[in-house]
Amino acid sequence: NAGVTQTPKFQVLKTGQSMTLQCAQDMNHEYMSWYRQDPGMGLRLIHYSVGAGITDQGEVPNGYNVSRSTTEDFPLRLLSAAPSQTSVYFCASSYGLRIPEAFFGQGTRLTVV
Amino acid sequence: QQQVKQSPQSLIVQKGGISIINCAYENTAFDYFPWYQQFPGKGPALLIAIRPDVSEKKEGRFTISFNKSAKQFSLHIMDSQPGDSATYFCAAPETSGSRLTFGEGTQLTVNP
Repeated sequence: NAGVTQTPKFQVLKTGQSMTLQCAQDMNHEYMSWYRQDPGMGLRLIHYSVGAGITDQGEVPNGYNVSRSTTEDFPLRLLSAAPSQTSVYFCASSYGLRIPEAFFGQGTRLTVV
Repeated sequence: QQQVKQSPQSLIVQKGGISIINCAYENTAFDYFPWYQQFPGKGPALLIAIRPDVSEKKEGRFTISFNKSAKQFSLHIMDSQPGDSATYFCAAPETSGSRLTFGEGTQLTVNP
């Protein structure tokens, strides 16, 4: 059972480049989300989805797009990378928001130069 | 938007001591209040969670205390061990129930 799988683990981008962070889960969870983690700021929600075809913005959505075409996959797209997007990104999934346990991926460390 | 304030930012405890981390929230959907544990290079993992209709929940060496009137909850780690050294996050659900807001995190170091 793989759980939540994120790729890549590390990525360096130049300012202005675009890329997609991949996230896949094999637990048939309806709820998926993307967070960014910065020192001293905890985990901040970027976007989330309550099911296939449904997405919504979190706390810090600017500069990011998401889509949810299947239950399993929830990719995060950086449209035009900026140094302020240098961070560690985590994807998470759960049966539903009102269920306490969210399963997190291993994270993607992104550096924008 | 929900504000979740966590303290302290960092904590150093001797092996065998008690680690205490506090969390305060503004408003909530009153579903549950979780604590997550994160080791370096890993994603956070659920450690323990409490529902607001109880004042305390204990799982092994870990205890959550919940004070509804003060809008605070805390994590107590008894007999702290070096293996407990990690970053701990509290979280509270938004009033809409649509998402969790996390605290800033506490980096715990347990010295042998």
